Amino acid sequence: ETGVTQTPRHLVMGMTNKKSLKCEQHLGHNAMYWYKQSAKKPLELMFVYNFKEQTENNSVPSRFSPECPNSSHLFLHLHTLQPEDSALYLCASSQDRSLEGTYEQYFGPGTRLTVT
Amino acid sequence: TQLLEQSPQFLSIQEGENLTVYCNSSSVFSSLQWYRQEPGEGPVLLVTVVTGGEVKKLKRLTFQFGDARKDSSLHITAAQPGDTGLYLCAGAGYGQNFVFGPGTRLSVLP
Repeated sequence: ETGVTQTPRHLVMGMTNKKSLKCEQHLGHNAMYWYKQSAKKPLELMFVYNFKEQTENNSVPSRFSPECPNSSHLFLHLHTLQPEDSALYLCASSQDRSLEGTYEQYFGPGTRLTVT
Repeated sequence: TQLLEQSPQFLSIQEGENLTVYCNSSSVFSSLQWYRQEPGEGPVLLVTVVTGGEVKKLKRLTFQFGDARKDSSLHITAAQPGDTGLYLCAGAGYGQNFVFGPGTRLSVLP
């Protein structure tokens, strides 16, 4: 248990569906991240939030829409996805990113998404 | 764009053997991390190294950061089945986000 929870753990959705992934951290962190992990690519950073403000959008298609209502919760809204979007979506949190120096990320268990 | 390479891609060994996996880049990093990821779980941070030439030990695991801060190695002594997993390295420049390597998938057979 890393202190970061993700729901659902598994999701199957059609290309016309709309669904949301949820992440919650209980570590008192102020930065949260979404990553995509697919079979043939390294872990890819999608979005970064620091104190609820988005600080990084790594050229992610608009069919992925993040939302960070507070420092403890992060959502990823999905709509009109493609089969190639099937992957493990990981959420992570860390200390405040405005501090200097390195930071340590704590990952949730991920949501295994399958787009049919 | 910073790219990290890891080798070997796959490694299968018997319990009790020693092994070393590598993480290499042409970029200089201000910090480098190693994670282990087990099936169905997210990556778990093992170590962070920030000084060139730095060596850190975590029980049977020894981590080394290259002098030029472009590469790192992870050595496991007397591997156990519980060491099985995907080992990921990640590097970051100062104030930048971490970039992950593709990982080494280790299988330790009893």
